[in-house]
Amino acid sequence: AQKITQTQPGMFVQEKEAVTLDCTYDTSDPSYGLFWYKQPSSGEMIFLIYQGSYDQQNATEGRYSLNFQKARKSANLVISASQLGDSAMYFCAMREGPSGYSTLTFGKGTMLLVSP
Amino acid sequence: GAGVSQTPSNKVTEKGKYVELRCDPISGHTALYWYRQSLGQGPEFLIYFQGTGAADDSGLPNDRFFAVRPEGSVSTLKIQRTERGDSAVYLCASSFHKTGELFFGEGSRLTVL
Repeated sequence: AQKITQTQPGMFVQEKEAVTLDCTYDTSDPSYGLFWYKQPSSGEMIFLIYQGSYDQQNATEGRYSLNFQKARKSANLVISASQLGDSAMYFCAMREGPSGYSTLTFGKGTMLLVSP
Repeated sequence: GAGVSQTPSNKVTEKGKYVELRCDPISGHTALYWYRQSLGQGPEFLIYFQGTGAADDSGLPNDRFFAVRPEGSVSTLKIQRTERGDSAVYLCASSFHKTGELFFGEGSRLTVL
């Protein structure tokens, strides 16, 4: 089974609108972390936001928020007030096990296009 | 610069040749990771170093792939007898943060003709 599933190959949104990018995950480990990365056409992976499995509140970082629904095993990224520069690939990733050094497993990504 | 540095940024080689890709992590980061990203896919884990030793090399696809980090800083990914299927972007990342957040370089694009 896929550990990280991103069901939306592509999403379109108009500038200044909000958009939600879906991510579901699969793990039996009670301790895990969820990450979102942005990859513009330049290729560099840019860290956006992190949610730990024991965090009580949804993570927020500026215009990014993570809608964490533990029972549903979903960790959707919400981008508010989209900007043209938000056009990029977005990857959801998971770390299994306690925080610290361990590998991340990535989903296949969602391409977001923001139109004027 | 202060980020993860990877060289070369682009490498074109012929099938059967040997290739080395270099990664210089962020200073002080003890964990270093290699990932491979094929077109239209997410990064795929290859190997992870903690200090000088490979803590997890379960992602290396076969014995043509090997990586070293002799002094616990710079790492080299080595690919022997390259095949066309090895064409991809090879991403290096380093980590120090408690959450396990990875800081990525811009990648080395390998094309095997």
